[in-house]
Amino acid sequence: DAMVIQNPRYQVTQFGKPVTLSCSQTLNHNVMYWYQQKSSQAPKLLFHYYDKDFNNEADTPDNFQSRRPNTSFCFLDIRSPGLGDAAMYLCATSGDSGGSPLHFGNGTRLTVT
Amino acid sequence: AQTVTQSQPEMSVQEAETVTLSCTYDTSESDYYLFWYKQPPSRQMILVIRQEAYKQQNATENRFSVNFQKAAKSFSLKISDSQLGDAAMYFCAYSMNYGGSQGNLIFGKGTKLSVKP
Repeated sequence: DAMVIQNPRYQVTQFGKPVTLSCSQTLNHNVMYWYQQKSSQAPKLLFHYYDKDFNNEADTPDNFQSRRPNTSFCFLDIRSPGLGDAAMYLCATSGDSGGSPLHFGNGTRLTVT
Repeated sequence: AQTVTQSQPEMSVQEAETVTLSCTYDTSESDYYLFWYKQPPSRQMILVIRQEAYKQQNATENRFSVNFQKAAKSFSLKISDSQLGDAAMYFCAYSMNYGGSQGNLIFGKGTKLSVKP
């Protein structure tokens, strides 16, 4: 089945130690997204790629970076994680026509110690 | 700026009965999409139903239907014959009709639905 896969499911990192979360998709979608979801809150968009074009949300901290080496893979890099970065990180994809629904991965739960 | 409001943080329904989740939104756009997403505990978020703003007919998907009131900017979700598997967090969401790139999907804060056996 076509899907969005996030690895790892759970990630523990130390305060200030860089961490990378990965996402892959078999849907061949042009658009990929990274959302941050803190406990009992709505997902918050960090950035998205339309093909190779990177779109950063204005309030996304510089601490968060992303790479998309090809259509199938997208990475979220947190350069110096703080305790406030502990959250569920959701990767999603969509087609590029207006109103295309998002297809989400299972998420990676990040713990910062 | 567009906003999405879900005024019910939690709802409860008896199995086999009907429940309606409320959502209101604010936008100055005339062409947009509205969605309901379901996020079960520890599982991935999935699309429940989608409504195109320029279509007057309310979207339906099996036991799920919406009541879309464009003038009132209201978009409620009705779940009929509720099942235990319907228990989840439900998010109402809005996106402008960009075409080319969907851009930012704006979520409400969610409604946690419990289903009682």
